[in-house]
Amino acid sequence: GNSVTQMEGPVTLSEEAFLTINCTYTATGYPSLFWYVQYPGEGLQLLLKATKADDKGSNKGFEATYRKETTSFHLEKGSVQVSDSAVYFCALRPSNRGSTLGRLYFGRGTQLTVWP
Amino acid sequence: DSGVTQTPKHLITATGQRVTLRCSPRSGDLSVYWYQQSLDQGLQFLIQYYNGEERAKGNILERFSAQQFPDLHSELNLSSLELGDSALYFCASSDAREGRNSPLHFGNGTRLTVT
Repeated sequence: GNSVTQMEGPVTLSEEAFLTINCTYTATGYPSLFWYVQYPGEGLQLLLKATKADDKGSNKGFEATYRKETTSFHLEKGSVQVSDSAVYFCALRPSNRGSTLGRLYFGRGTQLTVWP
Repeated sequence: DSGVTQTPKHLITATGQRVTLRCSPRSGDLSVYWYQQSLDQGLQFLIQYYNGEERAKGNILERFSAQQFPDLHSELNLSSLELGDSALYFCASSDAREGRNSPLHFGNGTRLTVT
């Protein structure tokens, strides 16, 4: 089946520290991969995406590379800010036929807190 | 602003009652998805509609139902409410023309509290 596993939180970092949030997936074929961010009291916002192997998605200093060989899509940022404090979700959309409009499968989310 | 509108923002009701959550997708998006977010279960997919037709079903209870209307807005009906139904309910929409690479655009959710 399709599933996403991401590292358990919470993650607590000091400002300007390096961030990695691990995400691995199980899916057949070549799924599309996404990272979403949820700030307190808000809905999920798309952070970045990658649609094929070796693609790198990037946005607002965050990056993630689609690694088919390790079925991973780890989120990284070189220098986090207090404003990055939020919950981060990794997600996939399967590539199987008929899933053109399919749902996303989400990981359980990782809470990130950045201290000044 | 994602362009997806959900009402109401908050809902407090008693066990056994019935409520309706409403969602207006982004202009032009034909697909609507409903998700439930709770602390212990994370984000659970409930149901998907495309252009008025049910497309996929997830972990949706029989007490719950949904529909998508000709103007593409969607409603999620929750009946015989139990304490465990307390959660955040999100609606999302996507643009079918982008195919499987299209992201979901989420509303800000309806927080349901069952007392």
